[in-house]
Amino acid sequence: NAGVMQNPRHLVRRRGQEARLRCSPVKGHSHVYWYRQLPEEGLKFMVYLQKENIIDESGMPKERFSAEFPKEGPSILRIQQVVRGDSAAYFCASSLGGQTSYNSPLHFGNGTRLTVT
Amino acid sequence: ELKVEQNPLFLSMQEGKNYTIYCNYSTTSDRLYWYRQDPGKSLESLFVLLSNGAVKQEGRLMASLDTKARLSTLHITAAVHDLSATYFCAANRSGAQKLVFGQGTRLTINP
Repeated sequence: NAGVMQNPRHLVRRRGQEARLRCSPVKGHSHVYWYRQLPEEGLKFMVYLQKENIIDESGMPKERFSAEFPKEGPSILRIQQVVRGDSAAYFCASSLGGQTSYNSPLHFGNGTRLTVT
Repeated sequence: ELKVEQNPLFLSMQEGKNYTIYCNYSTTSDRLYWYRQDPGKSLESLFVLLSNGAVKQEGRLMASLDTKARLSTLHITAAVHDLSATYFCAANRSGAQKLVFGQGTRLTINP
């Protein structure tokens, strides 16, 4: 079974461009989480989505960042007008159900490393 | 707001020695996770701890949970070089879905 698939693995953008990060969850998983990891730091929660719904976006910056998880297709994290401070590794994770209902841990993808020049 | 703190943040040890990584969390949590991350790689799940007194072991790693003290430990026995990595603990606030991660402990095991 394929795990969480993220693409691209590496993404280079100039300041002011848009970055689109894709995440396909484990087959059958309907819950997706996005986390950001700055160099030498832990992971910071950004957003939690179920199909067609944003459940918790308390970790998302108020501007330039958006996320979606459509009925069909991967989840997308979109960063508009990127700045150097957006350079980080962005990890997607999925779970079968909400974490408080299940014992299984989150399954993480390999991440997308965004570099803004 | 749930806060998760690990210590130490950096740990350099000799092969064959034992050591413990500590993870404190600030509010009631449903569960506690331990993950391993190798440089440039994703997170690998090691343990999920669900209840007070839970203890899980896998090879040279053993994790425990004390919910009253809001403390989890990851104990390394007779360390080997292959265990060099960064280890993260993570917890969720009771009833909430998102995980809050500690800062990570970068473990280096020297021959």
